[in-house]
Amino acid sequence: GQSLEQPSEVTAVEGAIVQINCTYQTSGFYGLSWYQQHDGGAPTFLSYNALDGLEETGRFSSFLSRSDSYGYLLLQELQMKDSASYFCAAPSSSGAGSYQLTFGKGTKLSVIP
Amino acid sequence: DAGVIQSPRHEVTEMGQEVTLRCKPISGHDYLFWYRQTMMRGLELLIYFNNNVPIDDSGMPEDRFSAKMPNASFSNLKIQPSEPRDSAVYFCASSPGQQETQYFGPGTRLLVL
Repeated sequence: GQSLEQPSEVTAVEGAIVQINCTYQTSGFYGLSWYQQHDGGAPTFLSYNALDGLEETGRFSSFLSRSDSYGYLLLQELQMKDSASYFCAAPSSSGAGSYQLTFGKGTKLSVIP
Repeated sequence: DAGVIQSPRHEVTEMGQEVTLRCKPISGHDYLFWYRQTMMRGLELLIYFNNNVPIDDSGMPEDRFSAKMPNASFSNLKIQPSEPRDSAVYFCASSPGQQETQYFGPGTRLLVL
């Protein structure tokens, strides 16, 4: 199974940089995904790290270290619209052909002026 | 593409009633997932299908829950009889491949009184 831990809440100032960490314990690991969910909305895909290192997509970057069972999402030049919950998620296979995407509990980011 | 479509968007029902949630995945996506989201438990995978065949239903809470996918463009999740603890947001998601990005529908907000 999978277990992913991330902080429950983070507050940051508009224009600043914020890092949301995710640590995981897995039995079979394929990579780490990040999803964004605004209040009342659906989760939407942000990024996926299959390999160690940094993946950059505009203002958002995601990092993975398999040796440390750790990853993070980095948001730069924060905007008010970035206020949302951010979930790390890891796919795993039971070995019987079953595949699951397990989500962390989410980090609620509040961007303040 | 219209994305994943779910109906109804909101459902209020009384304990003991049958509830049916519906999902239309993105055309061409071979995988369909049903999730439940609550404050206490976060986002949980209930069941997923590959090419209309249920692959893993280990997340289905109990026998009151059932899901079917009669064809590639439709799936439903039924709760019979419903209980107050079933109140949650139910998301349907689809993906083109087993380990590819999942696209979520807008969700059904279920309240069982």
